[in-house]
Amino acid sequence: EVQLVQSGAEVKKPGESLKISCKGSGYRFTSYWIGWVRQMPGKGLEWMGSISPGDSDTRYNPSFQGQVTISADKSITTAYLQWSSLKASDTAMYYCARIGLEAAGPLYFQHWGQGTLVTVSS
Amino acid sequence: DIVMTQSPDSLAVSLGERATINCKSSQSVLYSSNNKNYLAWYQHKAGQPPKLLIYWASARESGVPDRFSGSGSGADFTLTISSLQAEDVAVYYCQQYYSTSLTFGGGTKVEIK
Repeated sequence: EVQLVQSGAEVKKPGESLKISCKGSGYRFTSYWIGWVRQMPGKGLEWMGSISPGDSDTRYNPSFQGQVTISADKSITTAYLQWSSLKASDTAMYYCARIGLEAAGPLYFQHWGQGTLVTVSS
Repeated sequence: DIVMTQSPDSLAVSLGERATINCKSSQSVLYSSNNKNYLAWYQHKAGQPPKLLIYWASARESGVPDRFSGSGSGADFTLTISSLQAEDVAVYYCQQYYSTSLTFGGGTKVEIK
């Protein structure tokens, strides 16, 4: 069974750094792109970027380029989303999701993590 | 970026009636070399992660009830729930993957009338 298990909720202050994780299991981790999707309170879904864990090829939504870093450690089948300096506007639910086709680029998301709620407040 | 526009923003449908959600892309998402539309639909219930319903515009994901169907081609697409059930209350999103800069529609909230 494919599973994506995300790290727990975080409460941080503006200016702090943060790295959240997404551990994949039940499939060949290096063969499927993983993406990150943001949902701000009361808003819709926004694709932030995706990574190919096999070779770390990464694509970013231009709106998020330079604001976050997506990475993966294939030795522990885990993808990451990190911020170097959080803002209050980063308060949101963040989902990781795995695409539906092996060895294909960013496509549709077949499997989703449970979400990580990030709250940034002074 | 390809802009995805959904309509309506919300709709209320009686139990057992049909619900129709539209999604329009700012450019065609039909890839001519394989004749596939790079369009997916998701269901997002409160407190849960999104769930894939439809991909390639009309292929139903395994386990999804057959009352859910996707249609359309090029730049105009429709998600139809043929007979609305109480458990279908959710926000529904379309997503294009024609461009590697993925984009979602704004969402359509479906409620029971």
